[in-house]
Amino acid sequence: EAQVTQNPRYLITVTGKKLTVTCSQNMNHEYMSWYRQDPGLGLRQIYYSMNVEVTDKGDVPEGYKVSRKEKRNFPLILESPSPNQTSLYFCASSRRTDSNEQFFGPGTRLTVL
Amino acid sequence: LAKTTQPISMDSYEGQEVNITCSHNNIATNDYITWYQQFPSQGPRFIIQGYKTKVTNEVASLFIPADRKSSTLSLPRVSLSDTAVYYCLSGGPGTYKYIFGTGTRLKVLA
Repeated sequence: EAQVTQNPRYLITVTGKKLTVTCSQNMNHEYMSWYRQDPGLGLRQIYYSMNVEVTDKGDVPEGYKVSRKEKRNFPLILESPSPNQTSLYFCASSRRTDSNEQFFGPGTRLTVL
Repeated sequence: LAKTTQPISMDSYEGQEVNITCSHNNIATNDYITWYQQFPSQGPRFIIQGYKTKVTNEVASLFIPADRKSSTLSLPRVSLSDTAVYYCLSGGPGTYKYIFGTGTRLKVLA
């Protein structure tokens, strides 16, 4: 089944404790992206990757890192999480030809205490 | 990257046709218009995409006038399960940055 998977789905952590949220897609998509969703603010793009080893900042990159060493994986790294990074996170992928159709993962609900 | 503007919320009744309009005054020549649907605590799901005139699929229709400064998503005969947030985006084939905004919250009533 074609899908985007994220792990973990739920995470409660404390300020300053490094964490990684994994994202993997099995559709051989070139493009991958991370979003966060907060009440009243909608979906905001954090980082995106056009292909392996090619990444760039979205609208809200502060406090986040990403890497794209393989086509299928695009982990989101929070080196020193803070409470304002408590949010619902979505990973998405797209084949990037003539369509803006993105396939989204199920989401990761992160709470930073 | 063109910003889009949508109504914050809409209510409808089961069986009615719902039209959600999106304004994109600064749309670029090669930009597509793309609509997504999102249920609570789920990732957005692609509904439909178009460039001009009318596009129809099994879920919805998308109407884009000649000046392309706005578009209308049409959902025929909505049901309670169509209650969701609907997002309108614009972007061309080379788009890498996306602005989803806050979308339109559609509530379908029995």
